[in-house]
Amino acid sequence: KAGVTQTPRYLIKTRGQQVTLSCSPISGHRSVSWYQQTPGQGLQFLFEYFSETQRNKGNFPGRFSGRQFSNSRSEMNVSTLELGDSALYLCASSLGGQGIEAFFGQGTRLTVV
Amino acid sequence: GESVGLHLPTLSVQEGDNSIINCAYSNSASDYFIWYKQESGKGPQFIIDIRSNMDKRQGQRVTVLLNKTVKHLSLQIAATQPGDSAVYFCAVLRNSGYALNFGKGTSLLVTP
Repeated sequence: KAGVTQTPRYLIKTRGQQVTLSCSPISGHRSVSWYQQTPGQGLQFLFEYFSETQRNKGNFPGRFSGRQFSNSRSEMNVSTLELGDSALYLCASSLGGQGIEAFFGQGTRLTVV
Repeated sequence: GESVGLHLPTLSVQEGDNSIINCAYSNSASDYFIWYKQESGKGPQFIIDIRSNMDKRQGQRVTVLLNKTVKHLSLQIAATQPGDSAVYFCAVLRNSGYALNFGKGTSLLVTP
């Protein structure tokens, strides 16, 4: 059974640009969550989607957005990138959402220069 | 909101010893508690979880203890092996569900 797949693995962007990250959940999983991981702040929740609907959102500015498609694949977008957006972005999928036994992908390492 | 804290950022143990990693949380209404292991270059891996109506749960070489009175959670690893070296995170399910609130993590180093 394939795990959670995130693409790309690494990304370098310039301040002011925008970026789109992709996540393919485990087959049959309908919930996808996104987290930002930095050395200073640790793992912070961004948002969660279930059946194409955003059910919960963390405390991030509106520059961070996401969506989920009918096949449960999800994308997150960050506009007007700032240096502080450099982080590992992790996607997790689970069967029905409540976070229990959420399976994480390897993440996308975003560097903003 | 919920805050999840860790007691020690790093822990060094000898191979074969038992390890104990601690975590504290603030919201007494939290329902689920989960421990994750993150190896370098990988995403967090689910280890074990426990519900608020339980005090103890055991897995393979791991035991999670929950003390709701003092809002404390611990992960015990028996006979620690070099492959256990990683960063361990405790996570608390927020009341609204669908989101995990993570602690900062404890880096476990197992020496031969």
